[in-house]
Amino acid sequence: VQLVESGGGVVQPGESLRLSCAASGFAFSSAGMHWVRQAPGKGLEWVGVISFDGTSAHYGDSVRGRFSISRDNSKNIIYLHMTTLRGEDSATYYCAKDQGGDYEFDYWGQGVLVTVSS
Amino acid sequence: QSALTQPASVSGSPGQSITMSCSGSSGDIGDYVSWYVQYPGQAPKLIIYEVTNRPSGVSDRFSGSKSGNTASLTISGLQADDEGHYYCSQYTTYNLLFGGGTRLTVL
Repeated sequence: VQLVESGGGVVQPGESLRLSCAASGFAFSSAGMHWVRQAPGKGLEWVGVISFDGTSAHYGDSVRGRFSISRDNSKNIIYLHMTTLRGEDSATYYCAKDQGGDYEFDYWGQGVLVTVSS
Repeated sequence: QSALTQPASVSGSPGQSITMSCSGSSGDIGDYVSWYVQYPGQAPKLIIYEVTNRPSGVSDRFSGSKSGNTASLTISGLQADDEGHYYCSQYTTYNLLFGGGTRLTVL
């Protein structure tokens, strides 16, 4: 199993950014997929989840309405679309595979850093 | 607002057992508590799910339990490479909370 995030970087407050997570080594189209973030030196924060078929997504309180998750099962990729970025969104963003539908993450990517700064 | 509370740090000597807690804000922490360990510079790793279950490949020195609104992680036969940050999580319908994390130091 491999999860590889990309798309991070430095953006200004108010801007948008799209992260990608390329998956391999498992039945991608059968797995719910999540994004989890970690601000520098801080703990983990759940960002959101997309269902195995992409028909539903749910988000944490701090990003709901600004972030959205999508997936392309033909390419084994999930995306995190981030808009109206704020300084407090600066973090390492991890994608993670749901083990069985109860938001337990058995595989994680290596993470990608997003810095929001003017 | 719901929260999961973990002690900031715990410590123990090699060979000892330690237990760390994860307390929810309501009466029952539920059946979907997971534990992760994060070593410096690495992604978190799942070590306990559904309160008591260990993923394949995780040492049986790690065990989980719960009582009321508190879940616990016990590590027996403490080893130097157990040092890291430990996070609990709690799943409720379409939402996930992480605790603030506990730093484990092996003396």
